[in-house]
Amino acid sequence: GDSVTQMEGPVTLSEEAFLTINCTYTATGYPSLFWYVQYPGEGLQLLLKATKADDKGSNKGFEATYRKETTSFHLEKGSVQVSDSAVYFCALFMDSNYQLIWGAGTKLIIKP
Amino acid sequence: DTEVTQTPKHLVMGMTNKKSLKCEQHMGHRAMYWYKQKAKKPPELMFVYSYEKLSINESVPSRFSPECPNSSLLNLHLHALQPEDSALYLCASSQVGEPGSIYFGEGSWLTVV
Repeated sequence: GDSVTQMEGPVTLSEEAFLTINCTYTATGYPSLFWYVQYPGEGLQLLLKATKADDKGSNKGFEATYRKETTSFHLEKGSVQVSDSAVYFCALFMDSNYQLIWGAGTKLIIKP
Repeated sequence: DTEVTQTPKHLVMGMTNKKSLKCEQHMGHRAMYWYKQKAKKPPELMFVYSYEKLSINESVPSRFSPECPNSSLLNLHLHALQPEDSALYLCASSQVGEPGSIYFGEGSWLTVV
C-alpha cells in the first residue's frame, strides 16, 4: 500500500545551520505531497505542498521538490532559527484513498 | 492564528461521563474532519464530513459519535470512554476539491480517568 518514510529524529542543529529532513514515499499512482508542521502544544499547520513531479513547494524559507525519479520530497531550509523547533510531518494524498497518508514525523530541535 | 476553533482546549472526564468536543470554522470549507493524535505520533483519521454528510468513518468505536449541525460546525460526542482514548483530538477542514490541504485547529486535549 501507499506509505511515507521520514528520517528518524530528533534532528538537532545550531541556529543558522542548513536543514534537510528526508522524506520518501511509495505510491501506486501520482500522489500530491505535503509537509505539515506541529509546534509544541499546537495543532498541525500546512507548511508547503506539491501536486506533480518537479513542482517545488515553498513557504517561510522552507522548500521541497517533488522528485518522481527518486520518490522523494525532502524538506530544506537554508538557515534555521530557534523558532523552527517543531515536529515535521511528510504526507501524501491519493485520490483513490481520499485521505492523507502520514510519515512518522521528525522532531527538529534548534539550539541558539 | 488558526481559523479552526476548538473547545474546550482541555477536558478531563470519567469513564461514565458524557461530554462533547466542539469545532467551528468560517472559511467556507465544506469538508470537515476529526483526527486523533497520540503523543509523538502522526494524526489518525476518525471521521470525514463532506457537505454536512458523513463520508468516511474509519472504524471508530461507537463511543465516539460525530455530528455536523451545519457547514461551519462539527461536534464529537463522547460517552463511556476508556483511558486509552486519552489523546489530542484535532478538528480540521478543507475545500472539498483540495482534501490534502487541511487546516487544523489547535486541538482538544482529552484525559479519561
